[in-house]
Amino acid sequence: AQKITQTQPGMFVQEKEAVTLDCTYDTSDPSYGLFWYKQPSSGEMIFLIYQGSYDQQNATEGRYSLNFQKARKSANLVISASQLGDSAMYFCAMREVSADTGRRALTFGSGTRLQVQP
Amino acid sequence: EAGVVQSPRYKIIEKKQPVAFWCNPISGHNTLYWYLQNLGQGPELLIRYENEEAVDDSQLPKDRFSAERLKGVDSTLKIQPAELGDSAVYLCASSPGVANEQFFGPGTRLTVL
Repeated sequence: AQKITQTQPGMFVQEKEAVTLDCTYDTSDPSYGLFWYKQPSSGEMIFLIYQGSYDQQNATEGRYSLNFQKARKSANLVISASQLGDSAMYFCAMREVSADTGRRALTFGSGTRLQVQP
Repeated sequence: EAGVVQSPRYKIIEKKQPVAFWCNPISGHNTLYWYLQNLGQGPELLIRYENEEAVDDSQLPKDRFSAERLKGVDSTLKIQPAELGDSAVYLCASSPGVANEQFFGPGTRLTVL
């Protein structure tokens, strides 16, 4: 089963508008972390925002906010006031601890390509 | 502060040839990761180092892939021999500890002909 699911292969948004990128996850670990990364055409993965499973409030970082709905196992990224430079691939990722291996690596979704139109 | 440095940025080789990728993590970062990213997909972990120790290499194809981080700083990932299916981007990342966010390098794009 997919641990991280991003159902939107591509999204379009008008400049200055808000956009929501969907992410659902699957884990039985009570302690986990959720991340969003941006990957522009240059290829580098850029960290955007982090949400811990025990955090009571939704994380915010500037124009980025994470809509964390624990019961629904979703962690959607909201970008407010989109800019042309926001055009990129966006990846949702989860860090959990494997009971057998102690593995703490990030598991990534397949990504959403966001295109901001002028 | 310098970011994660990787070289080369691009590499084209013929199948069955060996290839090596180099990564210099952010200074002071004890944890180093190598990820493989196929076209149109998210990165997948190959190996994680805590200092010089490989603590998670369960996803590394050990018949042809090897990695080392001898002094707990720089790391090298090697493929020998390369196959057509190894064409991908190889990303290196580092973090101060395993619980922290990971900082990624620009990656090495490998093309195997």
